[in-house]
Amino acid sequence: KQEVTQIPAALSVPEGENLVLNCSFTDSAIYNLQWFRQDPGKGLTSLLLIQSSQREQTSGRLNASLDKSSGRSTLYIAASQPGDSATYLCAAFTGNQFYFGTGTSLTVIP
Amino acid sequence: EADIYQTPRYLVIGTGKKITLECSQTMGHDKMYWYQQDPGMELHLIHYSYGVNSTEKGDLSSESTVSRIRTEHFPLTLESARPSHTSQYLCASSVGAEQFFGPGTRLTVL
Repeated sequence: KQEVTQIPAALSVPEGENLVLNCSFTDSAIYNLQWFRQDPGKGLTSLLLIQSSQREQTSGRLNASLDKSSGRSTLYIAASQPGDSATYLCAAFTGNQFYFGTGTSLTVIP
Repeated sequence: EADIYQTPRYLVIGTGKKITLECSQTMGHDKMYWYQQDPGMELHLIHYSYGVNSTEKGDLSSESTVSRIRTEHFPLTLESARPSHTSQYLCASSVGAEQFFGPGTRLTVL
């Protein structure tokens, strides 16, 4: 069974800092990896989707990379802002099911 | 942009009541999902559907039931709510390998 792990579980950084969130998965046979943002008590908002054939995707200040062979994905956030404070989750799609990590809770301090 | 709607957003009810959580999507997606998420915890898949008249149980044992009579509608029903059902319930749909989430229903059973 696919297992998805996110480290660290929580992260606190000062505003303006660049940061990296990590996602690892045990089975490299994935179709894609999707990064989400979740605000407290809300649903998940899709940030970036990386297909298995791709190495990275970019949207504004966000850049996500995927290395299937090592079972890793990273989400890079440039010039962090207080509005980036949220929980970030990754999900690996195996063709049948989505497997979610437990998330990284990010706090950006003004 | 995906449009998935969940109602109610918040619900507080007494033990033993029957409740139905509504989920609708306007994108015509065949695949729909229900997840349960406790605060700060991972998402657990409780039900999913691959199309009309198709429903399956997920990884997490749940006392709830679902139906899929129309493509756009995927309601979840609890016949007799208990305090252990207190949680956030997230509905999602997917097209290809990308998943989209509704805003969630926060359920509290007293």
